[in-house]
Amino acid sequence: DAGVIQSPRHEVTEMGQEVTLRCKPISGHDYLFWYRQTMMRGLELLIYFNNNVPIDDSGMPEDRFSAKMPNASFSTLKIQPSEPRDSAVYFCASIMVGTEAFFGQGTRLTVV
Amino acid sequence: GENVEQHPSTLSVQEGDSAVIKCTYSDSASNYFPWYKQELGKRPQLIIDIRSNVGEKKDQRIAVTLNKTAKHFSLHITETQPEDSAVYFCAVFGNQFYFGTGTSLTVIP
Repeated sequence: DAGVIQSPRHEVTEMGQEVTLRCKPISGHDYLFWYRQTMMRGLELLIYFNNNVPIDDSGMPEDRFSAKMPNASFSTLKIQPSEPRDSAVYFCASIMVGTEAFFGQGTRLTVV
Repeated sequence: GENVEQHPSTLSVQEGDSAVIKCTYSDSASNYFPWYKQELGKRPQLIIDIRSNVGEKKDQRIAVTLNKTAKHFSLHITETQPEDSAVYFCAVFGNQFYFGTGTSLTVIP
């Protein structure tokens, strides 16, 4: 398995544009997590899915953020409209219950 | 939900000295406690973990101790080396997977 795959690795967009981040978890893992990392706030949990079902989205900062997991091998995190304060590194991680979390390489988002 | 606190937020040690990072949690149902190391510009990666039925685990220069009664667990790094410089995160897995706020460790040669 190639591990957790995120795309794009880097994204630069203008304020107000829609941004879509993508994640392919490790096959067989039943949990998928989206995190945001900034110097100020550290690693923040945004939302997680269990068997493709969103379980807790209380970490999503506001309605501009949405996440979906249409099947076991794909998830998206969308920001619409984007703002400069959304600039951060976004990580996706997948877990099989009782094992470690495997992280993707992250997407570095810059909103100008 | 879970409340995970990690201390200290920054730590500087001389090469060869030991470093200790501590995390506390609130949910007694939590049963899996991993530690992650994140080097600059890279993803967090697991370095050691412990489960609730074990009190201590060692892997070469790294050890983790767990006190379930007090709800805290600690990462111990002995004989620190410059390559140990990184941000370290504790995590707690029970019903969810929570990370601590991170400790930036600097090992001074």
